Amino acid sequence: DIQMTQSPSTLSAFVGDRVTITCRASQNIDSWLAWYQQKPGKAPKLLIYKASSLESGVPSRFSGSGSGTEFTLTISSLQPDDFATYYCQQYKNYSRTFGQGTKVEIK
Amino acid sequence: EVQLVESGGGLVHPGGSLRLSCAGSGFSFGSYWMNWVRQAPGKGLEWAANINQDGSEKYYMDSVKGRFTISRDNVKKSLYLEMNNLRGEDTAVYYCARGHTSPWDHVFDIWGQGTMVTVSS
Repeated sequence: DIQMTQSPSTLSAFVGDRVTITCRASQNIDSWLAWYQQKPGKAPKLLIYKASSLESGVPSRFSGSGSGTEFTLTISSLQPDDFATYYCQQYKNYSRTFGQGTKVEIK
Repeated sequence: EVQLVESGGGLVHPGGSLRLSCAGSGFSFGSYWMNWVRQAPGKGLEWAANINQDGSEKYYMDSVKGRFTISRDNVKKSLYLEMNNLRGEDTAVYYCARGHTSPWDHVFDIWGQGTMVTVSS
């Protein structure tokens, strides 16, 4: 199985900060990577697919980059609504594994 | 409005069975891959199973193979998950999720609100 490792596990930041989350795959997944946002008690929401394609309706302050085994999710200016947990997900093979999540907290 | 609504969760004893349902609305249900994704309390997301548009292809995570069966009824716009021989580690919120448009079928673009399954004696 392809393992996905996110860092950091928790991130504390101020409103307005630029925030970067990293996701590493245990083997090459080309650009078969998605990012999701989840708030407590709610279903996840798709943000990014194909490593860098912004899902319709998602604010442009979210961006994704990377290919192969290393990927990043960047929030250019953190807003109060962005405090949540973020997950990466590979879909190179049928197992569709997720990272363990990165919780973004208010500093 | 595009929507997925799960039902059927509850408390079941170890070794018991449960059937989850997911009703889709606001989109052409039969045109999309469909998935079950689960999340144990306080833990991360875990893809469990998926099924293609006509039900001819089904895939499962290793730990549920042979115990869970995914199916769909495109006329009723519904997705199902039959869960047998349940274990404590199956305790989770189970989400129904739609696959994105091809070729991004295995990205999950629409999610239901989830249904809780608790396996305990």
